[in-house]
Amino acid sequence: EAGVAQSPRYKIIEKRQSVAFWCNPISGHATLYWYQQILGQGPKLLIQFQNNGVVDDSQLPKDRFSAERLKGVDSTLKIQPAKLEDSAVYLCASSSSGDGALAEAFFGQGTRLTVV
Amino acid sequence: AQSVTQLGSHVSVSEGALVLLRCNYSSSVPPYLFWYVQYPNQGLQLLLKYTSAATLVKGINGFEAEFKKSETSFHLTKPSAHMSDAAEYFCAVTTKTSYDKVIFGPGTSLSVIP
Repeated sequence: EAGVAQSPRYKIIEKRQSVAFWCNPISGHATLYWYQQILGQGPKLLIQFQNNGVVDDSQLPKDRFSAERLKGVDSTLKIQPAKLEDSAVYLCASSSSGDGALAEAFFGQGTRLTVV
Repeated sequence: AQSVTQLGSHVSVSEGALVLLRCNYSSSVPPYLFWYVQYPNQGLQLLLKYTSAATLVKGINGFEAEFKKSETSFHLTKPSAHMSDAAEYFCAVTTKTSYDKVIFGPGTSLSVIP
């Protein structure tokens, strides 16, 4: 079974530039998550999709961050414009959610973003 | 809303010694609890999960955790540390009412001394 794929692995941009990250979840997984992990901290949920609908985006800074999930499969997360404090690892995860909270989330390797 | 605290941002143990990583949770409804491990430059991997069945949960790589409702704790243990256990460990919580929203603790970095 193929895992969660993310690209790029690393990205360096200047502040005020824009950047996009891509995630391909495990085939058949209805739930997709984007997490932000700042160095030395635990992952923070940015947005959660159920199929192609948003379940939770309460911690997504909507003035600069946006995310979409095309046809309930792949997802992109965009930052425009980027700030220095956006430097972090962005993790994508997916789960089957067959039993709600009992489902295990599988994580990709993440995209390490550095804003200079 | 639920939350997780992990006592000790960094723990060092000798190879072969007991590993104990602490996790306490806060939740107004019965929680589901997880332990994840993260190796350098890798994503998170599930070690084990508590889903209201047995309170003692066994996971991969010899790890286990015990759910104690009276102490609101879910500490992770392993009888004998191995060099390959050096990693970052995250405790996480979710509930049936939160639509799978998983909240992570700040993490504990485990070092294993030869």
